[in-house]
Amino acid sequence: DVKVTQSSRYLVKRTGEKVFLECVQDMDHENMFWYRQDPGLGLRLIYFSYDVKMKEKGDIPEGYSVSREKKERFSLILESASTNQTSMYLCASSHTDYGYTFGSGTRLTVV
Amino acid sequence: AQRVTQPEKLLSVFKGAPVELKCNYSYSGSPELFWYVQYSRQRLQLLLRHISRESIKGFTADLNKGETSFHLKKPFAQEEDSAMYYCALSGSDYKLSFGAGTTVTVRA
Repeated sequence: DVKVTQSSRYLVKRTGEKVFLECVQDMDHENMFWYRQDPGLGLRLIYFSYDVKMKEKGDIPEGYSVSREKKERFSLILESASTNQTSMYLCASSHTDYGYTFGSGTRLTVV
Repeated sequence: AQRVTQPEKLLSVFKGAPVELKCNYSYSGSPELFWYVQYSRQRLQLLLRHISRESIKGFTADLNKGETSFHLKKPFAQEEDSAMYYCALSGSDYKLSFGAGTTVTVRA
């Protein structure tokens, strides 16, 4: 029944490492999104994509990049991880009717 | 710019008491409004959306365009309603903007 899968539930990385967070959906959705979830701040949009090889910056894109080579897969890349990127990362996908389906999240700790 | 405000970080109620979670928004056009819920150790899921005007798990929410509000209400809270609740807004571009969230604790 799982429709949006994030490859890792927990990750611990060192400062300066390049980090890849993977997200795969099996619902043939056009739209995919990456958010980070922090206490007291809610969910903040990092990047999103409306189609393959297409990407748009969200509200907090600094320090991140994304890749969408296939419709079902949307990867979030931390080029050089920093401690302020320690957070819960949520991937979501949607069709054009606004309904989002979320993954279970990846809790990233940067030490 | 679109913005969602949830003024309450924490809300504690007794079982059987009414519960209301406040949500205010700012958006220049006609927004779509949603409530999402995250139970402990579960993924974020859609609770309800204003366009469908349905009641889910006893919760309702009315869009008040004059007050730019979309408060979530339930007349009799249950222990299983304890969760984190997020109000969210979508404009014409399918992007969701979320509030900071309200943690609800229902005490026996």
